[in-house]
Amino acid sequence: SAVISQKPSRDICQRGTSLTIQCQVDSQVTMMFWYRQQPGQSLTLIATANQGSEATYESGFVIDKFPISRPNLTFSTLTVSNMSPEDSSIYLCSALRSNEQFFGPGTRLTVL
Amino acid sequence: KQEVTQIPAALSVPEGENLVLNCSFTDSAIYNLQWFRQDPGKGLTSLLLIQSSQREQTSGRLNASLDKSSGRSTLYIAASQPGDSATYLCAVRNNFNKFYFGSGTKLNVKP
Repeated sequence: SAVISQKPSRDICQRGTSLTIQCQVDSQVTMMFWYRQQPGQSLTLIATANQGSEATYESGFVIDKFPISRPNLTFSTLTVSNMSPEDSSIYLCSALRSNEQFFGPGTRLTVL
Repeated sequence: KQEVTQIPAALSVPEGENLVLNCSFTDSAIYNLQWFRQDPGKGLTSLLLIQSSQREQTSGRLNASLDKSSGRSTLYIAASQPGDSATYLCAVRNNFNKFYFGSGTKLNVKP
């Protein structure tokens, strides 16, 4: 398995500000992902975090709103920019190891 | 586009009962299928991974089956316990490293 940590675990932010979420994996992985889970709903993939190159975004998600970094094979960040109340969600990072996907504990974001 | 459906959306059973959760997908060209458990306010815990060439996987009281041609997977939980109460999600991975999640089945096991 893989052990994944996320920081912060939760935050309450004001409209118009930005928040950066960190994701750390216990050892090197080839693929890392960022998901959003809105209240009472399932997971939606935001983007694949690529090491050393720009992230690959899914339809409906853009780099200006959700910039992603992946400086090495164990770490990634997701920034939620210019936040609005509609961005209130749980944000989850995941990593792929031996074809199995493992998830971090999530970051619960509330935007006022 | 792949669509993943889980039925039922919610299930309440008495402790000790055996139960089956269902997952169906529209595109049979999958790489693998994974079952997860999610406790309220938490991340996802991987339960079982079935590769597209496999028919089933077992872990303890859990057994997952896969019928790729009919686009179905089931998660069987034997002798359910209150600690099994959680939301169970299935996720399908295609050959292009895209993952599609079902909306989950919320399970409540009553003592």
